[in-house]
Amino acid sequence: GDSVTQMEGPVTLSEEAFLTINCTYTATGYPSLFWYVQYPGEGLQLLLKATKADDKGSNKGFEATYRKETTSFHLEKGSVQVSDSAVYFCALSDRGRGKLIFGQGTELSVKP
Amino acid sequence: DTGVSQNPRHKITKRGQNVTFRCDPISEHNRLYWYRQTLGQGPEFLTYFQNEAQLEKSRLLSDRFSAERPKGSFSTLEIQRTEQGDSAMYLCASSFGQGYSGANVLTFGAGSRLTVL
Repeated sequence: GDSVTQMEGPVTLSEEAFLTINCTYTATGYPSLFWYVQYPGEGLQLLLKATKADDKGSNKGFEATYRKETTSFHLEKGSVQVSDSAVYFCALSDRGRGKLIFGQGTELSVKP
Repeated sequence: DTGVSQNPRHKITKRGQNVTFRCDPISEHNRLYWYRQTLGQGPEFLTYFQNEAQLEKSRLLSDRFSAERPKGSFSTLEIQRTEQGDSAMYLCASSFGQGYSGANVLTFGAGSRLTVL
């Protein structure tokens, strides 16, 4: 079945460092891809999305490009802030019923 | 738009008791999903409704679990004869979608945390 694999955490970075969180997927069709973020004590929030190959999703300085040839959707940010400390989830969506299949999450901790 | 509302936020119960969680989705959303999340893991899909019809159930949803969405608005998730392994965060999400959805964006509630003693 469809699945998502993320790099394991926790990831600890200094403020203003470059961030990459790797995400690869396995899917039989052509899924949409998402990054969701969960801040401490809060619910899951959509960070960005991409619906087809070569699409780039972006939001709040974060970016991810849908790479069909490598089945990847890596999350990047050029300069992280302490406020970016959270758990990041990569997910894919089947196009029929729209349910999301999540990766296991990557915890990011940014130190001042 | 008040978002997706879940109640109660936290439930502590003894093994063997029944518990029920309620989800109020965004009013114009026709699709509703339940997920379970345990510590350190991503959310796992449990079940999906389109309007009042329950169209998909995960194998994770044992016979002790039942979900309803009687009028296509709010939904309830009941767990009968709770076990310690049921301790988790139960998440509800809703979306609007019809047929093929290029980007069916789910909006999640804050979750209902279940602790089974």
